[in-house]
Amino acid sequence: DAKTTQPPSMDCAEGRAANLPCNHSTISGNEYVYWYRQIHSQGPQYIIHGLKNNETNEMASLIITEDRKSSTLILPHATLRDTAVYYCIVRRSTDNYGQNFVFGPGTRLSVLP
Amino acid sequence: DTEVTQTPKHLVMGMTNKKSLKCEQHMGHRAMYWYKQKAKKPPELMFVYSYEKLSINESVPSRFSPECPNSSLLNLHLHALQPEDSALYLCASSLQGSSYEQYFGPGTRLTVT
Repeated sequence: DAKTTQPPSMDCAEGRAANLPCNHSTISGNEYVYWYRQIHSQGPQYIIHGLKNNETNEMASLIITEDRKSSTLILPHATLRDTAVYYCIVRRSTDNYGQNFVFGPGTRLSVLP
Repeated sequence: DTEVTQTPKHLVMGMTNKKSLKCEQHMGHRAMYWYKQKAKKPPELMFVYSYEKLSINESVPSRFSPECPNSSLLNLHLHALQPEDSALYLCASSLQGSSYEQYFGPGTRLTVT
C-alpha cells in the first residue's frame, strides 16, 4: 500500500476553510484515498473518500490532483468541533479480505476562536 | 442504523484475569476489524474477519484471541495480558470491496494492572 505524508499539525480560524494536504506519491491506479478524523478518545469517524475524481459530501470536499500523487481535504467552514486528528489513508482492497487500513500519524487540526 | 457498539466502555483487569471485549453491528457488514490504539498514536490493525472467518492476523500475541460467532458480533478474548497492553481497543466494520468505508465503534479503554 502507498504511504502517506501529512503535516503533523495545523491551525485554522473558526469560520474559515481548513485545507489539509496529503502526499501519496507512490499511489497506484486501484488505490482509494480515504480521510478519517478522530476527536479526542473517540473512535475514528469517516469523512470522505475518492479514487480519481473530486468528491464532496455534507462534511467536506476532497480534491485529488490529476496525477493522484496528492490530495487535499477541505472543511469549508471550520468550527471548534472540527478540532481533531485527521488521517489520510491510501488502501487497495482485496475483495476476499475486506479493507486493510494503515493509519499514519495524521494531522492535528486546531480550530481557533 | 450506522452504529457500531462496543462493550464495555472501560475495563480494568489484572494480569491473571480473563476478560472479553464485545463489538456489535447491524448494518449487514461482512468484514469486521479489531484495532489497538496507544495514547497519542494512530490505530493499529490487529485482526480482520471476512464472512466470519479470520483473514488477517497482524502478528498479534496469542494472549489476544478473536472470535466472530456470527455476522453481527465480534469478540476479543483477553488472557494473561501485560501492562503494556493497556490501550483503546477499537472495533470497525465495513462492506466488502475497495469503495466502502469502515465504521468505527467508540472503543473500549483497557487498563491492565
